Order: sequence, then structure tokens, then C-alpha cells
Amino acid sequence: AQKVTQAQTEISVVEKEDVTLDCVYETRDTTYYLFWYKQPPSGELVFLIRRNSFDEQNEISGRYSWNFQKSTSSFNFTITASQVVDSAVYFCALSGPAGKSTFGDGTTLTVKP
Amino acid sequence: GAGVSQSPSNKVTEKGKDVELRCDPISGHTALYWYRQSLGQGLEFLIYFQGNSAPDKSGLPSDRFSAERTGGSVSTLTIQRTQQEDSAVYLCASSLDSPSYEQYFGPGTRLTVT
Repeated sequence: AQKVTQAQTEISVVEKEDVTLDCVYETRDTTYYLFWYKQPPSGELVFLIRRNSFDEQNEISGRYSWNFQKSTSSFNFTITASQVVDSAVYFCALSGPAGKSTFGDGTTLTVKP
Repeated sequence: GAGVSQSPSNKVTEKGKDVELRCDPISGHTALYWYRQSLGQGLEFLIYFQGNSAPDKSGLPSDRFSAERTGGSVSTLTIQRTQQEDSAVYLCASSLDSPSYEQYFGPGTRLTVT
């Protein structure tokens, strides 16, 4: 069984604050894939990052960074110096080798000017 | 290049009618996914295709739901005898040939059952 938990339903920050979105997952697969997607108010989901279960390297891309820790089954996402354009719903997702994809319920981030 | 397209963008139907939703994936993407997103909710996995076969149909909510994919490209999701609880946005996504690749999503079909 696969499960993805995003405990934070809504987060509100003021522009330039740093914010971390939490993601905890459960799976019985030894090989699996983790993703973050962004769904802006316009609606279409956009891919942000992918991680394989055997690659625990953290990644930084501009203001975005991701912290993958197998020991705690977490794949957290940090936005540094948030901007109004970062306002969106962010989804963490898990895929197993057989193809099933499980998404968390999403975290709605509001960045106020 | 062209992204994932879905049609219709909106569909209003009466309870009890059948509906057919269409998805055109990105050319060359062999994996195709269907999801359902209810208002303010996350994505509910419905089905995954690898080529024309569906190794995982576990997410289909009932036997009123079916999906097929022909020619390794276009897919249709059919809902028979629609119910009001079927109202949602149905999203299609495609990816390169395995679940390890990121998915590219279409704009969705908003289904309203009256």
C-alpha cells in the first residue's frame, strides 16, 4: 500500500519569508519515485522535482530546495525568499514500479505581499 | 511541442447518462494516467496504461468506470450511468516509458452531473 501525507493543509506567509512544505510517505516497495508538483490558480499541474529511492542527495534549484530522508520517509520542500508568484497548491507524489501513483492532499501556499 | 490535451473541457450531463472523456498524450509518451480531483481535494489515482495495456486498474471506483487506450496513444475514460458523486475534474497525464519519469498533465475535463 502507498500513502502520502501532507499534514499542512494551508500555509500563509509574507513575501520574502522562507517556507517548508512537509511530505511523509509510506510504501512497501524498495524502489520508488517521489515527486513534487505545483498547481497554480490557473489549474494545470506542473512538475517541479523527481527523486529515486536510491538517491538521497538533496537538491537546490534557485529558491527551491528539497530534502529527502529515507530514515524518516520524508521528502520536504523549502522555498527561500518566497514570492507572490509562489502562491499555489503543492502536491507531493509517490510512484511505485508497477505504475500506481499516489498524491498527497496538497498544501495550499499563500504568499502575501 | 504539443502538451497533453483533453476533451471536452467541460461536460454537464444528467444523472444516469453515460459520458466519454478523451485524452491525447504527448507524442512518444508510452505511459498514461487518469486521475480524479474533487473540489479542493488531492488527486485520486484511477488507472495507469503502459502502451495499450493497463497493469493497474485498482483505482477505478466502480464497475461503471472503464478506460481504454488504442494505438498506444489516445485514451478514453467512460463513465456509465453517471451519479452526482462522479462530479469532479478528470485529469489525464502522460510520461516517458516508466513510472520513474515525471508526469505531464492536461488541463482536465470538468464533469458536472445534475
